[in-house]
Amino acid sequence: GAGVSQSPSNKVTEKGKDVELRCDPISGHTALYWYRQSLGQGLEFLIYFQGNSAPDKSGLPSDRFSAERTGGSVSTLTIQRTQQEDSAVYLCASSLHDTDQPQHFGDGTRLSIL
Amino acid sequence: QKEVEQDPGPLSVPEGAIVSLNCTYSNSAFQYFMWYRQYSRKGPELLMYTYSSGNKEDGRFTAQVDKSSKYISLFIRDSQPSDSATYLCAMSFTGGGNKLTFGTGTQLKVEL
Repeated sequence: GAGVSQSPSNKVTEKGKDVELRCDPISGHTALYWYRQSLGQGLEFLIYFQGNSAPDKSGLPSDRFSAERTGGSVSTLTIQRTQQEDSAVYLCASSLHDTDQPQHFGDGTRLSIL
Repeated sequence: QKEVEQDPGPLSVPEGAIVSLNCTYSNSAFQYFMWYRQYSRKGPELLMYTYSSGNKEDGRFTAQVDKSSKYISLFIRDSQPSDSATYLCAMSFTGGGNKLTFGTGTQLKVEL
């Protein structure tokens, strides 16, 4: 497709389980970003990739969060041992490269931890 | 204090009105300024992308940046019910990997 694609669109899981969220960026975009959107905190940066490297992981809230990108395309965000405070919408964006370019967002994964 | 402040609203206006949305920021290193529109249960959609101070117009939308006052605005002319959404300002600086810092969003409702 032409836009950023995220899956699943919704995920409900029990506290303590691991979850994997997937992002497929716009074709040809080398930079990929993960953000989290929650009611109290708004939209917050988590991590970004330029190619397969992650120069900035400063927004990851704890060591339970990790992300990888392979082949310069698809990225997965993994949350281990989920907690209720992890409930949020996880948004992925991509841009042509990581310098001064507009970012385009997917529709997100709505994660609910029971 | 947040780096980017935005009035959350809600803001309610009649159809056809001119809407003014604003953000203030504290980090003078920000150089790129964006406005996104977000409908319920959808991702943010880029409306305007501007660099440094000045105005930019695109159809019914005008973005203004005043770096001396650390203040940005989005004006919507002839507002329509389909403009009802949450509007997010965002900004970034060169050398920061292009990561965005967002305002909390203003909820807009345009009524018939």
